[in-house]
Amino acid sequence: GAVVSQHPSWVICKSGTSVKIECRSLDFQATTMFWYRQFPKQSLMLMATSNEGSKATYEQGVEKDKFLINHASLTLSTLTVTSAHPEDSSFYICSASGGPGTEAFFGQGTRLTVV
Amino acid sequence: SQQGEEDPQALSIQEGENATMNCSYKTSINNLQWYRQNSGRGLVHLILIRSNEREKHSGRLRVTLDTSKKSSSLLITASRAADTASYFCASDSWGKLQFGAGTQVVVTP
Repeated sequence: GAVVSQHPSWVICKSGTSVKIECRSLDFQATTMFWYRQFPKQSLMLMATSNEGSKATYEQGVEKDKFLINHASLTLSTLTVTSAHPEDSSFYICSASGGPGTEAFFGQGTRLTVV
Repeated sequence: SQQGEEDPQALSIQEGENATMNCSYKTSINNLQWYRQNSGRGLVHLILIRSNEREKHSGRLRVTLDTSKKSSSLLITASRAADTASYFCASDSWGKLQFGAGTQVVVTP
């Protein structure tokens, strides 16, 4: 299957700082990427849909000013958690799709810990 | 809630037994996908069943889909200790995946 690389795998940051997470599709062009958040022992919650060259579409309850998404190219989407707080500590996972109705490929996830 | 429901929440079986888990979703779909996740790791895609399919097999996996009931099931036959993981269904509506709550499966030797 296709490869989606997510970086970093884990990050620890101080409260109030910003953290950027990268999601790259290595061997195919992803017009759409998705960002999910997963709290311990819970399922994945879709945060936003990232479309190349346009603004991201955020799910209800997700603050777009706090979770900045940029999808500048067909192979790269970034999620920036701004002014991170301990409650933002979570597992963040991206996925890339070749189009509707096709298999989605997931990155390995980023574990964010805010202290 | 954007999440569908899965049952059971947790399942403990012995090696060699079959494991069955069910999933319900809320919206119309293009397809439904099943994933597994080992603790603290990324997701591994297991199988995709399209909305016009009713049953699909892949190795020891069997998936059914009932669009009239908006439900799906995943059967793992002859389970192994390595099958221990969390299993999630995800309904695909035009590329947007909505995940179920997940079933945690423990297979003991």
